[in-house]
Amino acid sequence: DQQVKQNSPSLSVQEGRISILNCDYTNSMFDYFLWYKKYPAEGPTFLISISSIKDKNEDGRFTVFLNKSAKHLSLHIVPSQPGDSAVYFCAASEKTGANNLFFGTGTRLTVIP
Amino acid sequence: NAGVTQTPKFQVLKTGQSMTLQCAQDMNHNSMYWYRQDPGMGLRLIYYSASEGTTDKGEVPNGYNVSRLNKREFSLRLESAAPSQTSVYFCASSRDSQANQPQHFGDGTRLSIL
Repeated sequence: DQQVKQNSPSLSVQEGRISILNCDYTNSMFDYFLWYKKYPAEGPTFLISISSIKDKNEDGRFTVFLNKSAKHLSLHIVPSQPGDSAVYFCAASEKTGANNLFFGTGTRLTVIP
Repeated sequence: NAGVTQTPKFQVLKTGQSMTLQCAQDMNHNSMYWYRQDPGMGLRLIYYSASEGTTDKGEVPNGYNVSRLNKREFSLRLESAAPSQTSVYFCASSRDSQANQPQHFGDGTRLSIL
C-alpha cells in the first residue's frame, strides 16, 4: 500500500513559469518530508525538506508547502528553467527516528524553453 | 569528491545465481541504506544500517542479506536470484539516522535476472 502518492506522472511547464508538483500521504506518523530530484542514470539528489512543525520552507527558487490537515505537500519552482527537467520524488519519514524514507512514484517535469 | 559509489553499474544474472552489490561512501556517514526502484514505483527500502555494527530490515527485505563491513562499506547480497529481483538498486548514506538528515544516493546498479 503506497503511503506516499504522487498522482501526476508528468508535468510540462514553459520556461520562466511556475512549476507546482503535488504529493499526498496517508500515514499520520510521518513528520519529516523531503523532495528529491533525479536525472536519468543518476541517483536521486536531495532538493529541499520540511518538518511537520512548519508549513513552508524556502530555498532559492524552490519552496515546499505542507498542509498537515490535508496530508498534502507541494513543491513550487519559480521561475522554472530547462535544467529543472527531471523526475521529482516526494519522500517522508516517521517520528521513530530510523530515517527510513517512504517514496512516492515520482513526477516527470519537463520545462519547455 | 566521490560521495556514494556503487559497483557494478550493470549486471545480468541467471535465476539461482548469487551476487553481491557493493557500496562505499567517503563522507564519514554513520548510516547507510539499500533501496530498490521498480518501473512505476518509488524507491523502497530493503535494509538499512543505522550505525556500524547494526543492520535492520526495511520494507522489502525478503531474498536479500546485507553486511556492514565497516563504516564506509555496506553490501547487499542476493543468495539465489529470482526474476522478481530485476530492478535498479540504490545505496544511500546519511550523517546519522535522524529524520532531518538528508540521504545521499549513489548512481545505482541495474540488475537483470533472466
